[in-house]
Amino acid sequence: AQSVTQLDSHVSVSEGTPVLLRCNYSSSYSPSLFWYVQHPNKGLQLLLKYTSAATLVKGINGFEAEFKKSETSFHLTKPSAHMSDAAEYFCVAQNTGGFKTIFGAGTRLFVKA
Amino acid sequence: DAGVTQSPTHLIKTRGQQVTLRCSPKSGHDTVSWYQQALGQGPQFIFQYYEEEERQRGNFPDRFSGHQFPNYSSELNVNALLLGDSALYLCASSLRQGGETQYFGPGTRLLVL
Repeated sequence: AQSVTQLDSHVSVSEGTPVLLRCNYSSSYSPSLFWYVQHPNKGLQLLLKYTSAATLVKGINGFEAEFKKSETSFHLTKPSAHMSDAAEYFCVAQNTGGFKTIFGAGTRLFVKA
Repeated sequence: DAGVTQSPTHLIKTRGQQVTLRCSPKSGHDTVSWYQQALGQGPQFIFQYYEEEERQRGNFPDRFSGHQFPNYSSELNVNALLLGDSALYLCASSLRQGGETQYFGPGTRLLVL
């Protein structure tokens, strides 16, 4: 069975401080892992993707994520938060061939001025 | 290059009615997946279509059915609507042989009264 757990439902940071959004996955195989962002009333946008190449994946808008197999984690980070980063973030696991996709419950990121 | 498009953007139905939602994939993509996103939750996988056949299905009842056309566009049909079917329905497209990255449309918001 495959599952994705986002450890925080809400994260609040001040503008200019680091962001850490945590994601653990459970799978009997090595899945592809993704982070998507969803701004209010907008569609899901792909931030980054891991597919067993480099364990540190760089995405758009300064985000990056590190795949740690020993910890079954795929945490999303950004060195300095911007007000425009406020949104819902989803960690996603997908089996080979994209047959089935599992979303985490999401983490709402708040950025304070 | 047009991305994934969905129609209609909003829809209001009453219990017991039937609804059809439509999706046009990103140019060059041959696989379409449908998701249901209830308010405050992550998207839940409904099913995936490839070569005009349903290839994978999530935990949704038979009231949910779909179709893929030769031009790769797709429809999602929901029969005997329940209040609990109120949600944002997302369509995602991908290229079967090109990896699993999915590109999402803006969604159709369905309200069942």
